[in-house]
Amino acid sequence: DAGVTQSPTHLIKTRGQQVTLRCSPKSGHDTVSWYQQALGQGPQFIFQYYEEEERQRGNFPDRFSGHQFPNYSSELNVNALLLGDSALYLCASSFFSSTDTQYFGPGTRLTVL
Amino acid sequence: AQSVTQLDSQVPVFEEAPVELRCNYSSSVSVYLFWYVQYPNQGLQLLLKYLSGSTLVKGINGFEAEFNKSQTSFHLRKPSVHISDTAEYFCAVNYQGAQKLVFGQGTRLTINP
Repeated sequence: DAGVTQSPTHLIKTRGQQVTLRCSPKSGHDTVSWYQQALGQGPQFIFQYYEEEERQRGNFPDRFSGHQFPNYSSELNVNALLLGDSALYLCASSFFSSTDTQYFGPGTRLTVL
Repeated sequence: AQSVTQLDSQVPVFEEAPVELRCNYSSSVSVYLFWYVQYPNQGLQLLLKYLSGSTLVKGINGFEAEFNKSQTSFHLRKPSVHISDTAEYFCAVNYQGAQKLVFGQGTRLTINP
């Protein structure tokens, strides 16, 4: 049973560019959440997708957007990259329940130069 | 505001010694509590969780945690640590119905031989 997978593993971009990160949830899960983990910090919630809609959003600007596909996989898009967007981006999958455990992928390390 | 505080940013201990990693959260509503571990260059792995019932919960790798509602704490303990326990540990809280996790800043556990 495959766990949560993310691609790519690493990514280097320059300021102003756009980036797309991808996530495939654990088999059977229908909900995907995205988190940003800056160096030396705990993860910060970006947003959550269920039934192809954004259900909740954290305190992130509109430059951060996402999508969920019918097969439950998800993309995170970041436009107009800033140096401060450099971080580890984590995807977590779960069932759509407030009590359910979120299972995390290995993350995508984004470096903005 | 919803916040999670991990009282120690770093905890050095000797191998086979006991360890306690402290976590406090702010809330007056029901919460679900989690501890995750992050090994270098990896994602987050669930150690244990508290949803309801017994306030002492046991997790993987010999870890356990105790939920204390009156002190709004969820401290993680292990009676005897091993070199392989060297990692970053994160306390996370799901404020009921929020469908997202609020993380602490993390505690780096270093095991000395």
